[in-house]
Amino acid sequence: EAGVVQSPRYKIIEKKQPVAFWCNPISGHNTLYWYLQNLGQGPELLIRYENEEAVDDSQLPKDRFSAERLKGVDSTLKIQPAELGDSAVYLCASSLRSGSLTDTQYFGPGTRLTVL
Amino acid sequence: AQSVAQPEDQVNVAEGNPLTVKCTYSVSGNPYLFWYVQYPNRGLQFLLKYITGDNLVKGSYGFEAEFNKSQTSFHLKKPSALVSDSALYFCAVRWETDSWGKFQFGAGTQVVVTP
Repeated sequence: EAGVVQSPRYKIIEKKQPVAFWCNPISGHNTLYWYLQNLGQGPELLIRYENEEAVDDSQLPKDRFSAERLKGVDSTLKIQPAELGDSAVYLCASSLRSGSLTDTQYFGPGTRLTVL
Repeated sequence: AQSVAQPEDQVNVAEGNPLTVKCTYSVSGNPYLFWYVQYPNRGLQFLLKYITGDNLVKGSYGFEAEFNKSQTSFHLKKPSALVSDSALYFCAVRWETDSWGKFQFGAGTQVVVTP
């Protein structure tokens, strides 16, 4: 079974430029998460989708960040414009059942963003 | 506020010795507890979880963890560490009382196993 797929793995951009990350969750997984991980820290949730619906986006900086999950499968996370402080690893994760607190989250390899 | 603590930034252990990585959490209803490991330039890999039942949970790669409700802890253990266990370990908690079910991750503990 394929795991969570993310692309690109690495991205280097100039500040004020836009950037987009793509995630393909494990087949059949209804819940998708985007996390931000700063160096030496644990992941912090940005947004959670249950199928197509964003059910928790309270930590998403909506002035520059946006996300979508069309058709309830793949998802994209966008930053426009990027700032120096956005340099981090962006992780995507998925879990099987909607609304389950006990399901395991499976993580992709992440996209390491460097903003110059 | 709900919180997860990993009190040690780094744990050093010699290969073959027992390994323990500590995790404590705040009390706010029933917790669901998870351990993940992260190797350099990789995503988090699931090791084990405690949902209910037996307090001792066995997981991948010979790891186990013990849920201690009175001490609000969920320490990760391995009887005999390998050099390949050197990685960053994260404890994560979800609370039954949190309708959003948001994972709270600890800050991580770097494990260094020396030959």
